Amino acid sequence: NAGVMQNPRHLVRRRGQEARLRCSPMKGHSHVYWYRQLPEEGLKFMVYLQKENIIDESGMPKERFSAEFPKEGPSILRIQQVVRGDSAAYFCASSPQDIRGYDTQYFGPGTRLTVL
Amino acid sequence: GENVEQHPSTLSVQEGDSAVIKCTYSDSASNYFPWYKQELGKGPQLIIDIRSNVGEKKDQRIAVTLNKTAKHFSLHITETQPEDSAVYFCAATLTGNQFYFGTGTSLTVIP
Repeated sequence: NAGVMQNPRHLVRRRGQEARLRCSPMKGHSHVYWYRQLPEEGLKFMVYLQKENIIDESGMPKERFSAEFPKEGPSILRIQQVVRGDSAAYFCASSPQDIRGYDTQYFGPGTRLTVL
Repeated sequence: GENVEQHPSTLSVQEGDSAVIKCTYSDSASNYFPWYKQELGKGPQLIIDIRSNVGEKKDQRIAVTLNKTAKHFSLHITETQPEDSAVYFCAATLTGNQFYFGTGTSLTVIP
């Protein structure tokens, strides 16, 4: 059973460009979370999605950031018109949310975004 | 929302000694408390978790204790080994919601 997959692992963008980060959850998991980690800091929640639904986007900046989790395919975190402050590691986690209510989150290896 | 504080921020121990990392949380409704280990350049890896209906849980050299009244929980690593060196994060959540993470503890095990 493959773990959470993220790509690309490293992404370099110039200011003003768009960044697209992809996350494929573990098999059987239908819940995806995105977190951002700045150097030497903890993980900050951005958005929580289920298939075709955004459940909680309270941690995501209102402008330039968007996320989706389509019926088919990976979850996408999109950052438009990137700025230097967007440089960080972005982690995706997936959760089974099974009938027992277990919500353990399993993390992917992350995408390290560098904005030049 | 929930606020999680974690101490210490850095910890150095001799190989074979024990390491203890403590976290406090603010929301008494939180009912799930996982611990993650993050090695350099990698994603957080779940190492142990505890739910609010349990006071203590152990898995080989790792144990977690939870005091709901005081709203704090701790990670205990016994017989530490160099490969235990990493950054450890605690988290708290109410089932079905986002995780609130502590700021991390950088553990160094000195051979």
